[in-house]
This record gives sequence, structure tokens and C-alpha cells, in this order.
Amino acid sequence: EAQVTQNPRYLITVTGKKLTVTCSQNMNHEYMSWYRQDPGLGLRQIYYSMNVEVTDKGDVPEGYKVSRKEKRNFPLILESPSPNQTSLYFCASSPSPYSVGYTFGSGTRLTVV
Amino acid sequence: GIQVEQSPPDLILQEGANSTLRCNFSDSVNNLQWFHQNPWGQLINLFYIPSGTKQNGRLSATTVATERYSLLYISSSQTTDSGVYFCAVRSGAGSYQLTFGKGTKLSVIP
Repeated sequence: EAQVTQNPRYLITVTGKKLTVTCSQNMNHEYMSWYRQDPGLGLRQIYYSMNVEVTDKGDVPEGYKVSRKEKRNFPLILESPSPNQTSLYFCASSPSPYSVGYTFGSGTRLTVV
Repeated sequence: GIQVEQSPPDLILQEGANSTLRCNFSDSVNNLQWFHQNPWGQLINLFYIPSGTKQNGRLSATTVATERYSLLYISSSQTTDSGVYFCAVRSGAGSYQLTFGKGTKLSVIP
């Protein structure tokens, strides 16, 4: 089944403790991206990647890092999480930035206390 | 950056009714997509429609790029249509960012 897999689905952590949210797709998509969703703000793009080793900032990159060492994986790293990073996070992939077939993962609900 | 405004923010419909959701954007775009987020949080891509009209069952979408708006039509609404509908755009000039509107929350009641 074609899908984007995110882990974990739920995570509660403490301020300053490094964490990684994994994202993997099995559709051989070139384009992958991360979003955060907050009440009243819709989805905001954090980072995106056009292909292996090619990443760029979205609208809200501060406090996040990403890497794209393999085509299928695009982890989101929070080196020193803070409470304002409490949010619902989505990973997505598509064949290209200009095509149909945008597929989202199931989301990761992160709480930083 | 590009601004995306969706209206109305909230909409309540009786089952069987029709509705039109609107998405206005502030600059020319080369990519416009509609998404549905169901009440359980799952996001589904409905349409890729930078211009023209497309239909998929009871849903159809029209984008008039020259006038900077897109419309999503839902006919004969069902309770399973409930959720939030998002419009997302990518502006031209080599941009690869996708900017979302804040969504329209649709509630279809039996």
C-alpha cells in the first residue's frame, strides 16, 4: 500500500531534550515536506526537500532541522524542543512540487512540557 | 509571501444540501490544491487544479487564475463530507513552498 509513515503518533517530552520524528514514504516520491498545524493557523510548512541532499526552509523553520540522506526518509529533528513547538506535525510527499498525488502521513502530536 | 484566504471559515449544512467554498490568493500561482481533513485528522488530496475545472463525483473545483480565486463545490452533501477543507498554493518564480489557507470547517448534519 502506498503510504507515508510517521512515528511516533504521540510524544510527550520535556524542554531541551532532543527528539526525532521519522517520516518514510514507499512511493519513490521526489518531494517531501514537513508541516505543523496549530488551531486557527492552518498548516504551515517547516522544511521541504526536492530530492536527496536537497532541502530548504519553509515558512517556520526556526528550531527545526531536517535531513534527506535517502529518497524515502525525511526525519524532523528538534535539537532543543520548547513549549511553543507543541503542535500537530504532518509529513507529506508527492512525485514533484507541481503534481497531483500529495500524500500526508497520519500526523504526530507533540507536547513539550 | 503569498496570502491565501478561505471563506467562509465555518459552514453548517443539512445533509443533501449543496455548498461552495472559496479560496482567494494574493499573487499568481502555478500550483493550487484542495485538501480535506476529516474529523480524525487525516488529510486527503482532493484536487490539483492550477487552472480550469475538474470534477470527482459529487465534488468539483474551478480555478480562475487570472482573477486569483478557486472554488470548491460540494453537491448533495453527506455527513462524511464533514471536516476542514484547505486550499494550498504555490506561487511562481521558482518557489517550491506550499502555502495553506486557514481552512473552512464544514459540518454536515443529518
